[in-house]
Amino acid sequence: GQQVMQIPQYQHVQEGEDFTTYCNSSTTLSNIQWYKQRPGGHPVFLIQLVKSGEVKKQKRLTFQFGEAKKNSSLHITATQTTDVGTYFCAAPLEYGNKLVFGAGTILRVKS
Amino acid sequence: NAGVTQTPKFRILKIGQSMTLQCAQDMNHNYMYWYRQDPGMGLKLIYYSVGAGITDKGEVPNGYNVSRSTTEDFPLRLELAAPSQTSVYFCASTGLGGGPLRTDTQYFGPGTRLTVL
Repeated sequence: GQQVMQIPQYQHVQEGEDFTTYCNSSTTLSNIQWYKQRPGGHPVFLIQLVKSGEVKKQKRLTFQFGEAKKNSSLHITATQTTDVGTYFCAAPLEYGNKLVFGAGTILRVKS
Repeated sequence: NAGVTQTPKFRILKIGQSMTLQCAQDMNHNYMYWYRQDPGMGLKLIYYSVGAGITDKGEVPNGYNVSRSTTEDFPLRLELAAPSQTSVYFCASTGLGGGPLRTDTQYFGPGTRLTVL
């Protein structure tokens, strides 16, 4: 079935360093969503990308959607301890209003 | 609005016991979903519903059942609990699709942590 591969699985950074997580699909995606899950919490929607080559920013977070709409990335500039958690990408299946989630990237920030 | 609510928050079951995980949303969303999340892993879709009276299997439906008698409620039933069902269960909901390109945001409940011993 359709899969969305996400890397890395885990990253531990020093506070102030940058962080990037990547999402890849073998098929063209109509859109891609990003969610954040704090430790012990539930996934919370961050953003949706729809257009080829789209770039969106939320403060220190930069989201990109590839030109071929098969990959996406989330980049955090100058990480803070409040950024810790797991970041998931998610994309709709070809049919129905269902999402397939990447495995997530766990971010730990050392102060 | 309370959003998506789930009960209970925690539960320990013995092997072979049964239980129902409750999920309710007050956003008048048509679509509702049940996911499980194993430690350090992503979300796996168990069952979903596109409206009252309509349910369908997701990726990992074995050992579970659902019903959707109202728009608001989407309970998940575990029959004959097994240790492999130890997980965190999330319920989510979303409105009608945003069109051919956009997908509605999924709103998640706080989760139920289930341990089967």
